[in-house]
Amino acid sequence: NAGVMQNPRHLVRRRGQEARLRCSPMKGHSHVYWYRQLPEEGLKFMVYLQKENIIDESGMPKERFSAEFPKEGPSILRIQQVVRGDSAAYFCASSPGEGEKLFFGSGTQLSVL
Amino acid sequence: GDSVTQMEGPVTLSEEAFLTINCTYTATGYPSLFWYVQYPGEGLQLLLKATKADDKGSNKGFEATYRKETTSFHLEKGSVQVSDSAVYFCALYTGGFKTIFGAGTRLFVKA
Repeated sequence: NAGVMQNPRHLVRRRGQEARLRCSPMKGHSHVYWYRQLPEEGLKFMVYLQKENIIDESGMPKERFSAEFPKEGPSILRIQQVVRGDSAAYFCASSPGEGEKLFFGSGTQLSVL
Repeated sequence: GDSVTQMEGPVTLSEEAFLTINCTYTATGYPSLFWYVQYPGEGLQLLLKATKADDKGSNKGFEATYRKETTSFHLEKGSVQVSDSAVYFCALYTGGFKTIFGAGTRLFVKA
């Protein structure tokens, strides 16, 4: 049973480009969470999704950031027109239900030049 | 709102030393409490958890006791090893869809 798969592992973008981060949850998990980790800081919640629905996006910046979890395929975190301040590690986690422990992927390190 | 406060790191210890990483929380209701560990270049892994007051979570020699009266969940280990070097995150869940994490405490263990 594969764990949570995130790709790419490292992503380099120039300012103004788009970044797409992918997350495939563990088999049987229908709950996906995205977190951002800035250098020397903790994890900050961004968004919580279930299949085809955004349940809580209170941690998402209002502009340039969007997330989806389609019926088929991985969850996507999309950042448009990236800026240097978007450089961070982005972690995806999944769970089989609410309140369950989270299973994390290895993260995507986004670097904006 | 709900929050978690951890002691600042880095914490540097010699092998076989005793470890304590302090964690206190603020929450409405009765949260479940967790410790996660992040090894270099990896995602977080659940280390241990406790779901109600006075519960003790334990795993791999680590322990933490849910103290409602002091709103604390301190992580302890009697004898650390070099392989315990990692970042440790205290977290809480009170429902409402999201788990809230502390800032993390980096532990270095020297041989």
